[in-house]
Amino acid sequence: GENVEQHPSTLSVQEGDSAVIKCTYSDSASNYFPWYKQELGKRPQLIIDIRSNVGEKKDQRIAVTLNKTAKHFSLHITETQPEDSAVYFCAASRYNQGGKLIFGQGTELSVKP
Amino acid sequence: EPEVTQTPSHQVTQMGQEVILRCVPISNHLYFYWYRQILGQKVEFLVSFYNNEISEKSEIFDDQFSVERPDGSNFTLKIRSTKLEDSAMYFCASNDGALTEAFFGQGTRLTVV
Repeated sequence: GENVEQHPSTLSVQEGDSAVIKCTYSDSASNYFPWYKQELGKRPQLIIDIRSNVGEKKDQRIAVTLNKTAKHFSLHITETQPEDSAVYFCAASRYNQGGKLIFGQGTELSVKP
Repeated sequence: EPEVTQTPSHQVTQMGQEVILRCVPISNHLYFYWYRQILGQKVEFLVSFYNNEISEKSEIFDDQFSVERPDGSNFTLKIRSTKLEDSAMYFCASNDGALTEAFFGQGTRLTVV
């Protein structure tokens, strides 16, 4: 069945360092890959997304890369700040599933000042 | 900024009781979803709804669950006979296209006792 694996489950970095979170997906027909940030007790909020016709996308300190052949995609956060501390979820979707998102297990990122 | 709103924020119910969780999606959105998140775990897809019918549902969404769009603004999730394992945060989401950003509500924390 459809599955998204996400690693690591926890990540601790020093303020200013970079953080990388990796996901692999099983459904080769997936063509939309969003990343959500969820602060404690809050709703998931989209931080960046990428579609399968693009290999990389960047938005200020956040970037996502996609390797369709290997079926994996990664989130890169540079110059991390304490307010980046949260749980990050990757997800995958494909058009003919009506937008259903299959989420990874989440990565708890802790940025130490 | 428009947002998805959910009521109630917290619901406590006795096992075997029926509950209705309510959502008001963003007004011009066409696709509606319910997800659930058991404490400390990943977000899991329950059901998607488009053009006044279910477009896809997961294995979790069994006969105890139903969804309805009773009017032009509300989208509800009904659990007919709640079980202890239904305790979770339930998120409603909506978007205006299958591969566009899904906006999540703030969630309803359901506690079954």
